[in-house]
Amino acid sequence: TQLLEQSPQFLSIQEGENLTVYCNSSSVFSSLQWYRQEPGEGPVLLVTVVTGGEVKKLKRLTFQFGDARKDSSLHITAAQPGDTGLYLCAGVGTYKYIFGTGTRLKVLA
Amino acid sequence: DVKVTQSSRYLVKRTGEKVFLECVQDMDHENMFWYRQDPGLGLRLIYFSYDVKMKEKGDIPEGYSVSREKKERFSLILESASTNQTSMYLCASSAWRGDKYEQYFGPGTRLTVT
Repeated sequence: TQLLEQSPQFLSIQEGENLTVYCNSSSVFSSLQWYRQEPGEGPVLLVTVVTGGEVKKLKRLTFQFGDARKDSSLHITAAQPGDTGLYLCAGVGTYKYIFGTGTRLKVLA
Repeated sequence: DVKVTQSSRYLVKRTGEKVFLECVQDMDHENMFWYRQDPGLGLRLIYFSYDVKMKEKGDIPEGYSVSREKKERFSLILESASTNQTSMYLCASSAWRGDKYEQYFGPGTRLTVT
């Protein structure tokens, strides 16, 4: 069974701090996606990374796909309370997605 | 914008009842999925479908069945609801976009079985 491990599981930081969330696997994926989920809602797709070593930026969020396409990271610069939520990574295989266990982020004002 | 809608946001059913959860997407996506999400267990795939009338078991299909009679609609059926099926149920659809699949979720149905 393919597994995606996310770390840390929980993170509580002050507004303005930087943070990095990691997503690791022993399996290779054709692409990897990051989602943010707010309480009572479905996950919302943030980004898809496809190429090994790829870096994508979405405002203050920077996503990186590992060279071997087994791992990824999400870095948030100057976190804001609006960044609070559950961050999920998902490895994409043929049709199916393997989800990480999630990182619950709370940004305090 | 992709829109995935689910028939109910909250549902309370009794043990033994037959439960239908409906999902509709409006982007002509080939693939549709049903997941359940539980604290500490993350998202687990129940069933998915890559075409009309086609279905594949996911990781936890026991106690569930699905139906896909039309491309835009994917239904999850709990034949005889049990308390351990109390969960958040998420529907998603996806399609190939150039060099990647993109998956979009509905808002979820929080099902409580008493």
